[in-house]
Amino acid sequence: DGGITQSPKYLFRKEGQNVTLSCEQNLNHDAMYWYRQDPGQGLRLIYYSQIVNDFQKGDIAEGYSVSREKKESFPLTVTSAQKNPTAFYLCASRDAGLAIYNEQFFGPGTRLTVL
Amino acid sequence: AQSVTQLGSHVSVSEGALVLLRCNYSSSVPPYLFWYVQYPNQGLQLLLKYTTGATLVKGINGFEAEFKKSETSFHLTKPSAHMSDAAEYFCAVSGGNTPLVFGKGTRLSVIA
Repeated sequence: DGGITQSPKYLFRKEGQNVTLSCEQNLNHDAMYWYRQDPGQGLRLIYYSQIVNDFQKGDIAEGYSVSREKKESFPLTVTSAQKNPTAFYLCASRDAGLAIYNEQFFGPGTRLTVL
Repeated sequence: AQSVTQLGSHVSVSEGALVLLRCNYSSSVPPYLFWYVQYPNQGLQLLLKYTTGATLVKGINGFEAEFKKSETSFHLTKPSAHMSDAAEYFCAVSGGNTPLVFGKGTRLSVIA
């Protein structure tokens, strides 16, 4: 089955610790995205990557970092500089080829709670 | 730049009644529009999308939406609500090969 895997489903960390959220896709998509979801706020873009070894900041990149060393993987690190990291994090991917209006496919999400 | 406004953070309907979820967009280029559904603690699933061509778009689970350029709207409808439709719905816009911009979502409750 093709799809996007995010692990773990639930993650707990102590304040001040960095934590890395995993996102893997086997859809052969070029583009990958990280969104943060808070109640009543919709989805806010953190980082995105259109191609391997390249990524761009989204609307709320402060306190986060990413890497894109492989096409299928786009891990997100939540650093201690992120003031309010507790949230639901969603990874997505997209076939950014000739059909520029393709939809984004989403993973199941990781709920991060910082204690 | 693109933006989306979803009118009503919470909509409640009776089972069997019409579902209408409102979405207005702003875009500096011809928009591509999407509706997604999210069940609790899950990812988003695509309901339907408008790219070009026919302005009335049919999606999964009996939902449809109509693109109205003059009104900059893309409202989502379903003739008869089912209990299983209770979820959060997100409207999104893209200007092309750019990340989707999402509205804040509308939570749909279905009353038996």
